[in-house]
Amino acid sequence: DGGITQSPKYLFRKEGQNVTLSCEQNLNHDAMYWYRQDPGQGLRLIYYSQIVNDFQKGDIAEGYSVSREKKESFPLTVTSAQKNPTAFYLCASSIRNRGQPQHFGDGTRLSIL
Amino acid sequence: AQTVTQSQPEMSVQEAETVTLSCTYDTSESDYYLFWYKQPPSRQMILVIRQEAYKQQNATENRFSVNFQKAAKSFSLKISDSQLGDAAMYFCASFSTTSGTYKYIFGTGTRLKVLA
Repeated sequence: DGGITQSPKYLFRKEGQNVTLSCEQNLNHDAMYWYRQDPGQGLRLIYYSQIVNDFQKGDIAEGYSVSREKKESFPLTVTSAQKNPTAFYLCASSIRNRGQPQHFGDGTRLSIL
Repeated sequence: AQTVTQSQPEMSVQEAETVTLSCTYDTSESDYYLFWYKQPPSRQMILVIRQEAYKQQNATENRFSVNFQKAAKSFSLKISDSQLGDAAMYFCASFSTTSGTYKYIFGTGTRLKVLA
């Protein structure tokens, strides 16, 4: 079955540490997205990519970095510059056509130790 | 800038009754799409319904239907014959293209409680 796989499900970060969240899809989608979800704030866009080797900043990109070396993969690194990283992170993908719905992974919960 | 507003943080409905969740949006685009997503306690985001702005007919998916008022920029979700499994967070979202980019904008969500 096609889908999006996020790992790990739970992740803990120490002070000054960079951590990487994995997102893999086998839906053959061109577009991929990273969102951060905090209580009462809905989903906020961190980064998105429409094609391989290209990505754009979303609304809250500071303290995060991404890469898109393969169509199937869009890892997100939470750097030590992100001072409040505790949140639920969702990865999504979609067909790169107008108005197609996004497919979401199961999410990663990141907490500070 | 595009915005999506859900003014009801929480709603309750009796099992088997009907409930309507509100959503308003603001966009300067003429071509756009609207969505409702459901997020149950498992936190998996599930597409409920999709509406194309150029279509006047309201989208329907089984017990879920929308009331799309384009002039008022309103996109409410009606759930009929509510079931316990409908309890979840519901997010309204819009999609449009601006200068060739593809972005989805989400509202802050409405938590729906279903009372037995």
